[in-house]
Amino acid sequence: SAVISQKPSRDICQRGTSLTIQCQVDSQVTMMFWYRQQPGQSLTLIATANQGSEATYESGFVIDKFPISRPNLTFSTLTVSNMSPEDSSIYLCSAGQGDDQPQHFGDGTRLSIL
Amino acid sequence: GENVEQHPSTLSVQEGDSAVIKCTYSDSASNYFPWYKQELGKRPQLIIDIRSNVGEKKDQRIAVTLNKTAKHFSLHITETQPEDSAVYFCAATWDSNYQLIWGAGTKLIIKP
Repeated sequence: SAVISQKPSRDICQRGTSLTIQCQVDSQVTMMFWYRQQPGQSLTLIATANQGSEATYESGFVIDKFPISRPNLTFSTLTVSNMSPEDSSIYLCSAGQGDDQPQHFGDGTRLSIL
Repeated sequence: GENVEQHPSTLSVQEGDSAVIKCTYSDSASNYFPWYKQELGKRPQLIIDIRSNVGEKKDQRIAVTLNKTAKHFSLHITETQPEDSAVYFCAATWDSNYQLIWGAGTKLIIKP
């Protein structure tokens, strides 16, 4: 299975600032996804990162707040913009080949906003 | 909208006993059903999965069963061990089988 490296692993940020999270896969993958997970809760899909085109966002998430890039088949970034304390969470990237194939996850980024 | 219901939310079993976690899905087009284990502070890890053309799959102490007619699938862990303690998530594909819809999770506690 693909090995997924995500960084930073954690950060503490000031409100109003932005943070970019990087996700690197050790092999080419069709699909990359970004999730948010609050402590003790399930995973919520933020968006599907599409290679060479705009990401597909889920209800409640918008591009201005969570811009996503995917320049190639092994790399994606998620930016959390103009952060507020409500953005404090764990952000996870996952990757897979789609078409009923498994998704594998990075270690996550634990983000705290002061 | 489409959803996956997972029960129970917490399950406490004696070490050595079996544990069963159940999920029900709503999208009849779903055809892939993975199970993930997440230890505290760690990433979700795939432990077993099943596709809609199979009714049961087993991997050592772990098995998954799928009933397409009833739209439910279950995780079975036998001879539980302390290292099985974690949160377990079920999921099902939807939307052209690229995205996953996730259950709420089950906290499994293995009592020594």
